[in-house]
Amino acid sequence: SQQGEEDPQALSIQEGENATMNCSYKTSINNLQWYRQNSGRGLVHLILIRSNEREKHSGRLRVTLDTSKKSSSLLITASRAADTASYFCATHFLLGGYNKLIFGAGTRLAVHP
Amino acid sequence: EADIYQTPRYLVIGTGKKITLECSQTMGHDKMYWYQQDPGMELHLIHYSYGVNSTEKGDLSSESTVSRIRTEHFPLTLESARPSHTSQYLCASSETGGWSSGELFFGEGSRLTVL
Repeated sequence: SQQGEEDPQALSIQEGENATMNCSYKTSINNLQWYRQNSGRGLVHLILIRSNEREKHSGRLRVTLDTSKKSSSLLITASRAADTASYFCATHFLLGGYNKLIFGAGTRLAVHP
Repeated sequence: EADIYQTPRYLVIGTGKKITLECSQTMGHDKMYWYQQDPGMELHLIHYSYGVNSTEKGDLSSESTVSRIRTEHFPLTLESARPSHTSQYLCASSETGGWSSGELFFGEGSRLTVL
């Protein structure tokens, strides 16, 4: 199965609420990245957290990484309708001496006004 | 906005046609990638390139081919399209510094429908 798996698959909230998405993975990683994809568009990089970091902030985004549990979470605070999108985690690791970046299936977030 | 461009954005063609999806970036990145994504699903790497005249197959087997004659250009070609090729194709690039220091920059995607 895939390296990165996201939970939940879909999330529906009201504006102003917080949204939390989780990502689990199987192998040791160098870093973990979160991307956003608006419907029918390309992906946009949001934030990268390295394996030796535990928490990172960027504006309304907060990412945590627990390497012992092989999991990460993305928290979007005070959500807005414009945050409606799919959010993907991507894990970076070495395999056979080559760099690999594997994407999960994503969490579809809907923020209602 | 990333300086990476894909054309066409949408393409509807009949079975057996040859198609080329174009991807160009103006950031001077050596590394470029093609991902295939079905609606609501994860991305699968189908091709990548670490520089001019370097191309490799990705994790997902694909009947498409790629070329890298110029740093900024990484086209993907299907010699004979079939309905099973219907999907969204995303092109991306990254800095030469390597994965651990950087991020992927994506184009807007090419949505291919084969009838």
